[in-house]
Amino acid sequence: NAGVTQTPKFQVLKTGQSMTLQCAQDMNHNSMYWYRQDPGMGLRLIYYSASEGTTDKGEVPNGYNVSRLNKREFSLRLESAAPSQTSVYFCASRGDRDYSPLHFGNGTRLTVT
Amino acid sequence: EDQVTQSPEALRLQEGESSSLNCSYTVSGLRGLFWYRQDPGKGPEFLFTLYSAGEEKEKERLKATLTKKESFLHITAPKPEDSATYLCAVPVRSNDYKLSFGAGTTVTVRA
Repeated sequence: NAGVTQTPKFQVLKTGQSMTLQCAQDMNHNSMYWYRQDPGMGLRLIYYSASEGTTDKGEVPNGYNVSRLNKREFSLRLESAAPSQTSVYFCASRGDRDYSPLHFGNGTRLTVT
Repeated sequence: EDQVTQSPEALRLQEGESSSLNCSYTVSGLRGLFWYRQDPGKGPEFLFTLYSAGEEKEKERLKATLTKKESFLHITAPKPEDSATYLCAVPVRSNDYKLSFGAGTTVTVRA
């Protein structure tokens, strides 16, 4: 039972380069989320998708784009990476019932030089 | 603005030394409070959901409680394997179920 799978695990980019972080879940969840985690700041929501075909901005969306490819997959794209985007990125999914918790992947550690 | 604040930032305990972590929140109309455990290099792992004030949940050496303004995570007789960062989160005020997280408390238990 894989749960939420993120690729890659590590990535180093130069300023201005682009990349896409991939996320897939096998729990048949409708809702999916992208968070970033920085020391001392906790997890901050970048974008989320309440269902296939819909996406919406979270707390820190600037510099990112997302695609909900299908019910299983939700990707995060950095079009022109900046050093401020150095962070650990987590994808999560959630069931539909009230009070359902988020289930997280193991993250992508991104360094932008 | 909805806020979630955790204290202390770090906690160093001797094996067997019980202690508590605090999570205070300012969101009104609480729709649940969540506790997660995060090990280094891993994603957060769900521990508990607390639904309403007065509720308590237990799992092994962990016990979570909830009041109208804060939640406590009590660690009783901790072991080194309880070392981790503990996160709490609450849904923000919106139509969608988005969680706002605290910055976490890093617990280190020495043998």
